[in-house]
Amino acid sequence: EPEVTQTPSHQVTQMGQEVILRCVPISNHLYFYWYRQILGQKVEFLVSFYNNEISEKSEIFDDQFSVERPDGSNFTLKIRSTKLEDSAMYFCANTNTHRGSSYEQYFGPGTRLTVT
Amino acid sequence: GENVEQHPSTLSVQEGDSAVIKCTYSDSASNYFPWYKQELGKGPQLIIDIRSNVGEKKDQRIAVTLNKTAKHFSLHITETQPEDSAVYFCAASRTDSWGKLQFGAGTQVVVTP
Repeated sequence: EPEVTQTPSHQVTQMGQEVILRCVPISNHLYFYWYRQILGQKVEFLVSFYNNEISEKSEIFDDQFSVERPDGSNFTLKIRSTKLEDSAMYFCANTNTHRGSSYEQYFGPGTRLTVT
Repeated sequence: GENVEQHPSTLSVQEGDSAVIKCTYSDSASNYFPWYKQELGKGPQLIIDIRSNVGEKKDQRIAVTLNKTAKHFSLHITETQPEDSAVYFCAASRTDSWGKLQFGAGTQVVVTP
């Protein structure tokens, strides 16, 4: 069964540094998402991405965050200048269905980001 | 915006017993309700979902019920097994959103042999 993969599995970075989290979606999926989960808390929506542009984003997704799909396969989340509060598990998710139909989202295993 | 509440936060059951997790949502326009299972160190795994035009859905030992009027939905696991131990999350989404999921806080289920 096809799976969503994410790299790295764990990233440690210093406050103020830039990080890029990578996701390889399931091949025929068209809609992409990033979520985050701070330790012990609920999973929170960050951003959705379709047709090479952001379709929706949350209040968390400020100017420090960006997403892109540079080569038509990888889907990346960049945090320009990390803060301590960015420490969390970041999940990529995707689906191959259209809005108004079904939305089964398949999640990757996550990247644990630790900002020191 | 949508707010999803989930109860209980922890649930201990004896192997073979049933487990029930309940969620309420606030946005009456929400029409898709998935349930995810998250094992330690892994991403959420979709286990069952229900759409607002259906009141109940079953898949082997797992069932989900939806009450649109009361805006609540529940996950039922029958004949629980130790491998059912995990954190379970409910979520809600609406048609005019781009599939954005709003999650509940999660329920830690522990099945003891």
